[in-house]
Order: sequence, then structure tokens, then C-alpha cells
Amino acid sequence: GAGVSQSPSNKVTEKGKDVELRCDPISGHTALYWYRQSLGQGLEFLIYFQGNSAPDKSGLPSDRFSAERTGGSVSTLTIQRTQQEDSAVYLCASSSLAGGYNEQFFGPGTRLTVL
Amino acid sequence: LAKTTQPISMDSYEGQEVNITCSHNNIATNDYITWYQQFPSQGPRFIIQGYKTKVTNEVASLFIPADRKSSTLSLPRVSLSDTAVYYCLVGNAGNMLTFGGGTRLMVKP
Repeated sequence: GAGVSQSPSNKVTEKGKDVELRCDPISGHTALYWYRQSLGQGLEFLIYFQGNSAPDKSGLPSDRFSAERTGGSVSTLTIQRTQQEDSAVYLCASSSLAGGYNEQFFGPGTRLTVL
Repeated sequence: LAKTTQPISMDSYEGQEVNITCSHNNIATNDYITWYQQFPSQGPRFIIQGYKTKVTNEVASLFIPADRKSSTLSLPRVSLSDTAVYYCLVGNAGNMLTFGGGTRLMVKP
């Protein structure tokens, strides 16, 4: 079956613009996660969804970042008024259930470059 | 969340066995130990998971001592394609995984 897909694969934007990043999880997976990875660094947890609700938003770096998930499937991560420090690879993952015990399946990521 | 500590980098040669040790001194009773592998320009992928003793699959083995305060990922006879970053994580059904910096394994010819 299809894995996790993300779009766009690359996004170049100008400072101050808004961007939307999309994630299509594996069908039937109730949990969805967003991470950020700066060059040469580990993954930084941003937010996760259980169904359409986000029990843990603690990782969002600022109020410029928001995410939503509709229909228990597709999720969108929105970054408003982008800054150069937002440049990173944004990774999405899904798992059958939420929680650190469950295997997460990652998408290929969206590489965001803010000029 | 239990914090993990692992070497920043390791070098090896093709055909050798590689052991990467991770410490997790404050692991909770209901935590599992999971290892992920990440190739350049890709998302991480699950390698192996265990709770105690030894777990083996087609890719690797995971050794966990009785006190569970550390674990060792063993990769038998590595090849150049095993060059990647390896993450050690602990977690349970009630919390989220925290990915640290991982261990950068470089396999040389």
C-alpha cells in the first residue's frame, strides 16, 4: 500500500510569506506527527494528532505555526510570516495508534527554504 | 520522558560488526526501546524494538541488560549502504518519542 506522502517536496519562499505544508498519512492510521529537522540535526517534535484533535501542541516553536487535520486523514502545517530560521526539512509521520511504543512511518519530508 | 545518550559518530569498515550503545538511565517500567535509521534526504525508518533481553530481526539485533539502563544495537557485517544516522528512543503508549541527535555511522570500504 501507499506510504506517507508529503507535498510539496521543496518550497522556496520569501521572508514574511505564509506557507502550507501537506501530509497524507497511511490510510487507517489514527495518529499523525509533525517534526522539523534542521541541517545536520536531530528531529524536533512539533505536534501530533490523534484523529482530528491535537492533544500535544507543546512543540510548536511560536504562534506563527499552526496545524490542522480533517477527516482523520490529511494534515496541513501552516507557517505564517516565515522567517529565515524556519528553513528546515519538515517531516510527517503516521502510526496506527498514538504513543511512543508504536512504529512511526515517515514521509519523505518537505524542504523549506526561506530567503 | 526518558533521556537517551548515544555516541555522536562511529566509523567502521565493510564486513565488520557494529555495536552502538545507548544509555537511558531513567527509563520507566512501561517504556520500550526503539531504534530508527535515517538515510540522507529521507525520513527515519523503524529498525527494531525491544523491552528486555535480546531481540533479533533480519536487519539487526538489540541487546538489553536486566537493568534496562542501556541498550546496544548490533549490525552484523555492515556494508556501505548501512551508512546512516541511528536514533535510540524510549517511549510507551502514553508519550511521544524524542529524537536526539543520533549516532552517525560511517562505513568505509
